[in-house]
Amino acid sequence: DVKVTQSSRYLVKRTGEKVFLECVQDMDHENMFWYRQDPGLGLRLIYFSYDVKMKEKGDIPEGYSVSREKKERFSLILESASTNQTSMYLCASSLGVGNQPQHFGDGTRLSIL
Amino acid sequence: GQNIDQPTEMTATEGAIVQINCTYQTSGFNGLFWYQQHAGEAPTFLSYNVLDGLEEKGRFSSFLSRSKGYSYLLLKELQMKDSASYLCAVGGFKTIFGAGTRLFVKA
Repeated sequence: DVKVTQSSRYLVKRTGEKVFLECVQDMDHENMFWYRQDPGLGLRLIYFSYDVKMKEKGDIPEGYSVSREKKERFSLILESASTNQTSMYLCASSLGVGNQPQHFGDGTRLSIL
Repeated sequence: GQNIDQPTEMTATEGAIVQINCTYQTSGFNGLFWYQQHAGEAPTFLSYNVLDGLEEKGRFSSFLSRSKGYSYLLLKELQMKDSASYLCAVGGFKTIFGAGTRLFVKA
């Protein structure tokens, strides 16, 4: 079974802080994704990566950056956290792009005060 | 524009059959996914359709009509544990998710 592990289930940070969310997968998947999930809006793609050191902007990349230095690890960075970034953040990985299911981590519920 | 529509909420009775519809308009299409997400948990993969027709997997079936931009998820012999959100997603260079349908199963 694919295991996608996110570093924290719950996180509370202050406005203006730099925040790091970490995600690790153990199935040697090429593709990794970061989403945020808000009530009524569903899953929205922030960034994804199809290879080490490669990244692509999703639909809502503003205020975020990512890092993929190793195949198994994909980090999401909030450069200067703001209250509108309070959300559930989900990391996922997949074997293929668009034609293979994504495997999700348990999510990080991030609150920015 | 790209859009995926599915009902916000549905209620059904234990033991019954429920159909959750999904319509989509997207620029790319590599297949249609359904995921289940229980409250407070991660989405988990249920089904994948890339060709028109019905795919059956136990109590769950999924249908696709590419010409109509339409899919449905059929849940038979509903159980209380099926109470969850069901997410429709279109695969492409960027997979696009619908907002999800919250299904309540009552006794």
